[in-house]
Amino acid sequence: DTAVSQTPKYLVTQMGNDKSIKCEQNLGHDTMYWYKQDSKKFLKIMFSYNNKELIINETVPNRFSPKSPDKAHLNLHINSLELGDSAVYFCASRQGVAGLNNEQFFGPGTRLTVL
Amino acid sequence: AQKVTQAQTEISVVEKEDVTLDCVYETRDTTYYLFWYKQPPSGELVFLIRRNSFDEQNEISGRYSWNFQKSTSSFNFTITASQVVDSAVYFCALPIIQGAQKLVFGQGTRLTINP
Repeated sequence: DTAVSQTPKYLVTQMGNDKSIKCEQNLGHDTMYWYKQDSKKFLKIMFSYNNKELIINETVPNRFSPKSPDKAHLNLHINSLELGDSAVYFCASRQGVAGLNNEQFFGPGTRLTVL
Repeated sequence: AQKVTQAQTEISVVEKEDVTLDCVYETRDTTYYLFWYKQPPSGELVFLIRRNSFDEQNEISGRYSWNFQKSTSSFNFTITASQVVDSAVYFCALPIIQGAQKLVFGQGTRLTINP
């Protein structure tokens, strides 16, 4: 039933470690995203993929590397974690690529805490 | 600039009161959409409504209503007879195209409904 799923839901790790967050959507959507929500609840896009191809890459440190093995999956790998990476990371998907009307469906979020 | 401003950071009302959440947007596009999302305490992001720039009719869905006014670049959200379950952070978002659709979010308004 789950439309957009993420694992893990919580991730606590030490500074300097490398970690991954996985995302899967079963909606048959064309485009997938990663957003970051900071401690003040501000949501900002990080990346967008269409059918395994990177479309949007905001100004994100290159320690963050998205990987899309297929249209239904978009994973986020983070190297050398820093304290400032602590946030909630949301995966999202939508039908179509461009176009303004279709909404984005969000996963439940992954709360990353870097100690 | 493509920007969304939700000037009300936090609102607190007593149950059954009506409450309006403000959203002011800036866009250089002549055709555009606006979305509202709800983020309850459980953390997920739930899509509420989309509105296109051609349709200035107010939208009503149960206790929820939306007032779109192009003249003031606003897309305000009113909850009538608020309930405790309405407590959440509410986001107004402007979809824009940058290769693919991306959402430009407002800062969010944290709404607390007290019993």
